[in-house]
Amino acid sequence: EDQVTQSPEALRLQEGESSSLNCSYTVSGLRGLFWYRQDPGKGPEFLFTLYSAGEEKEKERLKATLTKKESFLHITAPKPEDSATYLCAVQPSTGTYKYIFGTGTRLKVLA
Amino acid sequence: DTGVSQDPRHKITKRGQNVTFRCDPISEHNRLYWYRQTLGQGPEFLTYFQNEAQLEKSRLLSDRFSAERPKGSFSTLEIQRTEQGDSAMYLCASRQDSEQYFGPGTRLTVT
Repeated sequence: EDQVTQSPEALRLQEGESSSLNCSYTVSGLRGLFWYRQDPGKGPEFLFTLYSAGEEKEKERLKATLTKKESFLHITAPKPEDSATYLCAVQPSTGTYKYIFGTGTRLKVLA
Repeated sequence: DTGVSQDPRHKITKRGQNVTFRCDPISEHNRLYWYRQTLGQGPEFLTYFQNEAQLEKSRLLSDRFSAERPKGSFSTLEIQRTEQGDSAMYLCASRQDSEQYFGPGTRLTVT
């Protein structure tokens, strides 16, 4: 069964303290892996798409990487405004149009 | 501009009543998704439209739920005979290529 697991569930960092979030997936063929940011009471905001192992994408303090079984979202020198829930999703390559989401990592960055 | 819009943003209803939500996707996007999200969980796929055709529906979706996308533009999601377990955030997303763009969601509370 297609599945996405994110860890840790919650993470507290001091401002400037870099860390990584993990997204492990099991899917019958990967069309794409997606990272989103979600603020409380709002819809998810698209961050990155990764298609193949070894691919990396960067945006400001965020960098996403992909292997055959997992993806990492690296946060470098985070700021309080980076506090949010970060969601990972996969789109299987066959048999379905749906995206399968993990439960997210709740990140809190303290000033 | 034009991002994805949803209406209403909040809905409180009594158990047993019917409710309908509307989603207006980004105008050039021909693909549209509905999701449900409960607290602490990632979005859960409900249904997918390509233009006006409903191509996939979650097996978990009760027959109390129905969705339409007449003329391939806006979409509606109706829940009949609401139950307390239907309380959740209902999210709509549209996509052109592989990236989905989400609306702000409709928060449903069933009392």
